[in-house]
Amino acid sequence: NAGVTQTPKFRVLKTGQSMTLLCAQDMNHEYMYWYRQDPGMGLRLIHYSVGEGTTAKGEVPDGYNVSRLKKQNFLLGLESAAPSQTSVYFCDISHWTPGNPYGYTFGSGTRLTVV
Amino acid sequence: AQTVTQSQPEMSVQEAETVTLSCTYDTSENNYYLFWYKQPPSRQMILVIRQEAYKQQNATENRFSVNFQKAAKSFSLKISDSQLGDTAMYFCAFSKAAGNKLTFGGGTRVLVKP
Repeated sequence: NAGVTQTPKFRVLKTGQSMTLLCAQDMNHEYMYWYRQDPGMGLRLIHYSVGEGTTAKGEVPDGYNVSRLKKQNFLLGLESAAPSQTSVYFCDISHWTPGNPYGYTFGSGTRLTVV
Repeated sequence: AQTVTQSQPEMSVQEAETVTLSCTYDTSENNYYLFWYKQPPSRQMILVIRQEAYKQQNATENRFSVNFQKAAKSFSLKISDSQLGDTAMYFCAFSKAAGNKLTFGGGTRVLVKP
């Protein structure tokens, strides 16, 4: 999706390994979100950030850490991956402005499998 | 905390027919925003339609329209003249403020049959 880049797109991890997912925007928006989507379920909020240097917990934060050292990048980390973290991860950026009919742009998703 | 419920796991519809997806939500907010997102097999999240709670008029976008019942906390999506490309997962979502985090329902899988 234009303006939002998620990397990697796919990854297979062994239990206990660590990894970092990157969400990068080429805009200048403050609010960024990480969601996970499990089979047959809607997206659930993991962590979010309302600006550079800020982060906050969402609905399902356990097992994840995040950082927003630069405004353009929002990183999601798994320190010790578990099979329960097998999911599809989405980054979302809020760019709400008066008259903007959309307000949110999602990344293309990262499919993570933990074996 | 807000909750969003979609009670229909799957719906099927013949091409060119109409299908209506249900969504209910729970909130103590008076002003908020509601959305329907489409997720095709590509996984991309595509905004279908948006409704501001302070607007009484139901939103429409081409073949897509909503029935927003604020008192009943109901937000249904009607897809008219269904097309094969409408086959996808559809998610209802809630945001309590502009740009705020989204709360999603569990989704409804829509299959359009030729």
